[in-house]
Amino acid sequence: DAGVIQSPRHEVTEMGQEVTLRCKPISGHDYLFWYRQTMMRGLELLIYFNNNVPIDDSGMPEDRFSAKMPNASFSTLKIQPSEPRDSAVYFCASGLTSGGNEQFFGPGTRLTVL
Amino acid sequence: SQQGEEDPQALSIQEGENATMNCSYKTSINNLQWYRQNSGRGLVHLILIRSNEREKHSGRLRVTLDTSKKSSSLLITASRAADTASYFCATDATDSWGKLQFGAGTQVVVTP
Repeated sequence: DAGVIQSPRHEVTEMGQEVTLRCKPISGHDYLFWYRQTMMRGLELLIYFNNNVPIDDSGMPEDRFSAKMPNASFSTLKIQPSEPRDSAVYFCASGLTSGGNEQFFGPGTRLTVL
Repeated sequence: SQQGEEDPQALSIQEGENATMNCSYKTSINNLQWYRQNSGRGLVHLILIRSNEREKHSGRLRVTLDTSKKSSSLLITASRAADTASYFCATDATDSWGKLQFGAGTQVVVTP
């Protein structure tokens, strides 16, 4: 298996633009997590899905952020409009259970909003 | 908010030495996990210890858990330059089903 795949790996955009981050989880995993990592706040859970259904989005910072999982093999995290404070590394992870077992992380998308 | 807090924040050792880092947390947990993150990469799962376990080994890794003190330690024996990375503890709290909460991490540098 190729592991969790994220695209793009790097994204540089200007403030106000829409940004879409993509994730392909490991086949057979029924949990998918989106995290954000910054120096100031560390690793934060934004939202997670179980069987394509959003279970907890309490970590989503504000309405500018939205996430979807239209099928078991694809998820998107969208920021519209983007702001400089959204600059961070965004990770997608998948797993067979929620917190009970290990999570497999993708390589991350480094987002820079100018 | 971060459930786990690692100590120390940074650790510099020479190859062959042991590295020990600690994690403290605040609430009851189902399990505690340790992850490694190499620079510019995603996190990689190292080991999981359940609340009813006290010690676990995996290769050169040894993890202990003391639920009475709400703390865990990760020991890397005979460290190698390739062990240079940040190490994070993550807790699966009993009152936060479905979520892992990560600490701020310990940055370990192993010099040849």
